[in-house]
Amino acid sequence: EDKVVQSPLSLVVHEGDTVTLNCSYEVTNFRSLLWYKQEKKAPTFLFMLTSSGIEKKSGRLSSILDKKELFSILNITATQTGDSAIYLCAVIPSYQGAQKLVFGQGTRLTINP
Amino acid sequence: GAGVSQSPRYKVAKRGQDVALRCDPISGHVSLFWYQQALGQGPEFLTYFQNEAQLDKSGLPSDRFFAERPEGSVSTLKIQRTQQEDSAVYLCASSLARGSQPQHFGDGTRLSIL
Repeated sequence: EDKVVQSPLSLVVHEGDTVTLNCSYEVTNFRSLLWYKQEKKAPTFLFMLTSSGIEKKSGRLSSILDKKELFSILNITATQTGDSAIYLCAVIPSYQGAQKLVFGQGTRLTINP
Repeated sequence: GAGVSQSPRYKVAKRGQDVALRCDPISGHVSLFWYQQALGQGPEFLTYFQNEAQLDKSGLPSDRFFAERPEGSVSTLKIQRTQQEDSAVYLCASSLARGSQPQHFGDGTRLSIL
């Protein structure tokens, strides 16, 4: 059964700190891994990773994938209170016909001023 | 439209009633997905459409759940004879094409069954 595990489940830090969120997975014939940020409404897309070792970066956020060790990390530097959210990791398997996202439980990140 | 639109935003129903949830995907998006998100959990896949064809319904929890997308655009998720365990946020997502494009989500419908 396809499985995604995120850690930690909850994290509280002070504004300005750097955080690293972890995502490990077991999936049949991996295709890609995605990170989403979920505040009170829709999950919003952050990154899509398909190749190992290539860092994707957007402002203070960056992510990298290790397909050998089956994990990804999401880094946020110089955190701000607006970064407070649930961060979701999901994978897409590549067996025939599979299009669905398999999500982890999420990491609840709280940034205190 | 600019984003995925879902309605209603909130729905309260009594146990046993039928409900219908609507999703209007981003214009031109071929693929449409429904997910169920319980409190404190990640979304769980329900079903997937490519245009009007329902290609995967493996995540629908019972035969009380039914989804359709008759013209390949707007989709409706129907739940018959609702039960308390159906209470959750129902998220709709759409994407341009198969697999290689990220899914973009709507704000969801929060369903509460009393």
